[in-house]
Amino acid sequence: DAKTTQPPSMDCAEGRAANLPCNHSTISGNEYVYWYRQIHSQGPQYIIHGLKNNETNEMASLIITEDRKSSTLILPHATLRDTAVYYCIVRLFQGGKLIFGQGTELSVKP
Amino acid sequence: DTEVTQTPKHLVMGMTNKKSLKCEQHMGHRAMYWYKQKAKKPPELMFVYSYEKLSINESVPSRFSPECPNSSLLNLHLHALQPEDSALYLCASSPTPRGRYNEQFFGPGTRLTVL
Repeated sequence: DAKTTQPPSMDCAEGRAANLPCNHSTISGNEYVYWYRQIHSQGPQYIIHGLKNNETNEMASLIITEDRKSSTLILPHATLRDTAVYYCIVRLFQGGKLIFGQGTELSVKP
Repeated sequence: DTEVTQTPKHLVMGMTNKKSLKCEQHMGHRAMYWYKQKAKKPPELMFVYSYEKLSINESVPSRFSPECPNSSLLNLHLHALQPEDSALYLCASSPTPRGRYNEQFFGPGTRLTVL
């Protein structure tokens, strides 16, 4: 599975959009981009995933570049409860392991 | 029921003890997972069960012994652990082990301390 690179930490003001970048330059054609988050002392929570088209659900939007070498998770109106570690993961469509990288620690501030 | 439950929430054990962690889901998922997470580190996969059969063992020491008695239940038996095994143990499940709809749902974890 391809590796991902994320900034170790980011801050965001409450009510503003949080844009979390992820680089996955070695991604192959049959690998999906997944995002999970882990709020302190809880289990990771699935957010969204995509292959090459942009995706949106009730939690977030996922923007994947045309060459698929990077992506951005967007939380449109961040709240204090969005403070968490966000993990970007690349995995095979046919299964394959979830290999968590170091993630981005997002702090949403009032 | 859309939850993965884990018991106990906390466990303290000595190096000579035998204990078990339990994980349960009633979502009809056919894949279940054990992860280990040390403080300030990402979760690391330990085991994968697919249709109640062990499909992946990530070279985990034999003092950790998984068991899947049925499709809803996953156990992790612990014996002769070391202090460095102290960690948060996470269980997860997914509808299938493969394919598009295999997002993993995680439980809250068991925080294990080995004295």
